[in-house]
Amino acid sequence: DGGITQSPKYLFRKEGQNVTLSCEQNLNHDAMYWYRQDPGQGLRLIYYSQIVNDFQKGDIAEGYSVSREKKESFPLTVTSAQKNPTAFYLCASSRTGTGGAGSYEQYFGPGTRLTVT
Amino acid sequence: KQEVTQIPAALSVPEGENLVLNCSFTDSAIYNLQWFRQDPGKGLTSLLLIQSSQREQTSGRLNASLDKSSGRSTLYIAASQPGDSATYLCAVKSGGPETSGSRLTFGEGTQLTVNP
Repeated sequence: DGGITQSPKYLFRKEGQNVTLSCEQNLNHDAMYWYRQDPGQGLRLIYYSQIVNDFQKGDIAEGYSVSREKKESFPLTVTSAQKNPTAFYLCASSRTGTGGAGSYEQYFGPGTRLTVT
Repeated sequence: KQEVTQIPAALSVPEGENLVLNCSFTDSAIYNLQWFRQDPGKGLTSLLLIQSSQREQTSGRLNASLDKSSGRSTLYIAASQPGDSATYLCAVKSGGPETSGSRLTFGEGTQLTVNP
């Protein structure tokens, strides 16, 4: 089955610890994205990557870091510098290209709920 | 900066009713608009994508329209069922060159409850 997997589903950490969220896709998509969702709010873009070894900051990148060493994988690290890390984190992917590349759908994983105490 | 608003924030209807969810956006220079469904504690499921050059898209009981010039989209759900209960999110893709930098801006969603 093609799709996006995120692990773990639930993650608990102590304040001050870094934590890495996994995102893997087998859709052969070039672009991958990380969003954060807080209760009653829409999704906000953290980081995105259009190609391997390249990524850009989204709207709320402070306190987060990413890497894109493989096309299939786009892990997100929530660092101790992130002031309010407790949230639901969603990974997505899409095709890219020319001639309408901006029109491709984004497909989402099941999400990871991170709780920091 | 693109802003997306969804009205109403919550909606409760009896089973069988036809309903309309609204989405508005401030910058009409979009590449596409996408409607998603989200069940509690789950990821997003794409329902419909409308390209900027299109006026509507249909899938089963769902019909989405787009009026780019007025910055509005509607999602029409026909003959609603309890299984349609979920949060519906709209998102627009805009900003930057088409091949890079364009990102989705999400509304806050409409929480729909269909009562048996």
